[in-house]
Amino acid sequence: AQSVAQPEDQVNVAEGNPLTVKCTYSVSGNPYLFWYVQYPNRGLQFLLKYITGDNLVKGSYGFEAEFNKSQTSFHLKKPSALVSDSALYFCAVRDTANAGNNRKLIWGLGTSLAVNP
Amino acid sequence: DVKVTQSSRYLVKRTGEKVFLECVQDMDHENMFWYRQDPGLGLRLIYFSYDVKMKEKGDIPEGYSVSREKKERFSLILESASTNQTSMYLCASTRTSGYQETQYFGPGTRLLVL
Repeated sequence: AQSVAQPEDQVNVAEGNPLTVKCTYSVSGNPYLFWYVQYPNRGLQFLLKYITGDNLVKGSYGFEAEFNKSQTSFHLKKPSALVSDSALYFCAVRDTANAGNNRKLIWGLGTSLAVNP
Repeated sequence: DVKVTQSSRYLVKRTGEKVFLECVQDMDHENMFWYRQDPGLGLRLIYFSYDVKMKEKGDIPEGYSVSREKKERFSLILESASTNQTSMYLCASTRTSGYQETQYFGPGTRLLVL
């Protein structure tokens, strides 16, 4: 079965330090991977996606993610965290198991990032 | 920019009421989605629609129905609201059904059923 795992419910990091939010996946075929962010009391905003090509994908707000096929991971990173990065982060993968379901995303449960001043 | 709007940010309803949640997108997107979001459970897909008058069940359709009479509008209906439907409801849309397509989300409706 296709799935996405975010192994950490919460990540705490000091402002100015690098941050990593982890995501691993299991899909049949090529993975199409996405990261979204949700600020308090807001809808989800798209950050970045991996479709094909370079393993390092750059996105909004200085975030990037590294696709690692051998480890089936797509970790979200930022070199220097800001307090304003504190939010809920979701990893998702396109459901490619069934042609009829290719519109759907399979979502991780989310990781709460807290950046401390 | 794509804009997805939802009719209410907050709603309070009573058990047994019929509840309508409206979602409108302004970019002529084919696909629209309704999710509910609960702490510790992430996003769960309720229904989606890939064309006018077309709909497909998601992972948790029980207790919900949907309507898509116009391309830009996708409504979620709680036929008889229950307390376990208290949740945050998120609407999303995508331009096409391609694998690379990004979902665009509305701001969410926080529903409380008393």
